[in-house]
Amino acid sequence: NAGVTQTPKFRVLKTGQSMTLLCAQDMNHEYMYWYRQDPGMGLRLIHYSVGEGTTAKGEVPDGYNVSRLKKQNFLLGLESAAPSQTSVYFCASIVGGPGNTIYFGEGSWLTVV
Amino acid sequence: SQQGEEDPQALSIQEGENATMNCSYKTSINNLQWYRQNSGRGLVHLILIRSNEREKHSGRLRVTLDTSKKSSSLLITASRAADTASYFCATDEEGGATNKLIFGTGTLLAVQP
Repeated sequence: NAGVTQTPKFRVLKTGQSMTLLCAQDMNHEYMYWYRQDPGMGLRLIHYSVGEGTTAKGEVPDGYNVSRLKKQNFLLGLESAAPSQTSVYFCASIVGGPGNTIYFGEGSWLTVV
Repeated sequence: SQQGEEDPQALSIQEGENATMNCSYKTSINNLQWYRQNSGRGLVHLILIRSNEREKHSGRLRVTLDTSKKSSSLLITASRAADTASYFCATDEEGGATNKLIFGTGTLLAVQP
């Protein structure tokens, strides 16, 4: 049981390049989330999914797209990376229902130059 | 906009002392959770308190919740150097069906040996 796994862990992109972050969970969780964390700030919700084939916008969705084609995977895409997207990205999952614990991945450090 | 605001932003104490962190939030909630984040790592769930609870204990952790003031506090007793980390509160909005956790900006705790 690996929990929540994010790949890649580190990446440097040039402005305008595209990339995809992969989040995989092996706990059969329905709900998955992508957050970004910037210095001096808490986590801000980018997009989330309440089940396979569904996605929804969070607090800061602009510049990102997501897909949940399989229940265990939640992909975060940057179509045209910008320096403002330099951040640490965290994926999380939860089985669903209020009061359940969210499980986080270890983070993906992205730098856009 | 972020739901939670932690206070203080940073706290430095000696090993053995107690550490108290506060969290204020804006909307009605189902529950409030506290998370810990070691430098360069993902977030780890510490404790959850439901909106109808006023106090909860877990080991050296004590959490209080005052829904009339929309605030919570986390007390770590008999602190250890290993407690050095950032601590975040997160709220699950009342009526929300998606388990969207909204995080505060965090308190950086440094425990000096």
